[in-house]
Amino acid sequence: QKEVEQDPGPLSVPEGAIVSLNCTYSNSAFQYFMWYRQYSRKGPELLMYTYSSGNKEDGRFTAQVDKSSKYISLFIRDSQPSDSATYLCAVSQGGSEKLVFGKGTKLTVNP
Amino acid sequence: DTEVTQTPKHLVMGMTNKKSLKCEQHMGHRAMYWYKQKAKKPPELMFVYSYEKLSINESVPSRFSPECPNSSLLNLHLHALQPEDSALYLCASSPGTGPYNEQFFGPGTRLTVL
Repeated sequence: QKEVEQDPGPLSVPEGAIVSLNCTYSNSAFQYFMWYRQYSRKGPELLMYTYSSGNKEDGRFTAQVDKSSKYISLFIRDSQPSDSATYLCAVSQGGSEKLVFGKGTKLTVNP
Repeated sequence: DTEVTQTPKHLVMGMTNKKSLKCEQHMGHRAMYWYKQKAKKPPELMFVYSYEKLSINESVPSRFSPECPNSSLLNLHLHALQPEDSALYLCASSPGTGPYNEQFFGPGTRLTVL
């Protein structure tokens, strides 16, 4: 079983839709949960991070972590064509430099 | 200055060549990372330098040789690479190494090995 599982998609939605992206992980030692956005031919950029369980909101983006089910989600409200990118979830243990990434989900938002 | 820069942007090399990738940050970060990313795959960690010392080597073949001359600079020396080493090489930096430190990524060097 991979440490982090993420459906690679692709996912195509119309502009204005609510997008839900998800990952599951297997190691309960993971404490830090991140979502990165990667545009084509660019490096990943951090969108959201969450420590332990709970929700975190930043503008149109909401990250959720449910440690009991080892499930992490990213919601994008009022999606825009500029949100078209690959979204990578990543997890890490406390005190560890090592990020474990999911495969990434390619999202296209159509005007 | 809040970015990680990488040079060159693109590199084409033969299997007998020696080349180097360069990464620089001026954010005062004390941890720097090399990742390899193949097409449609997530980044895979190769090396971590913490306070200019190699702290993690993810069993990377010796044809890849990292170097951290100072806290702002990270190099990756390449020698006798194989075509399967063609990938996007990403550098990242973070303020420290725990308990949580956001990793800032550079744009990457796209390497093609002929």
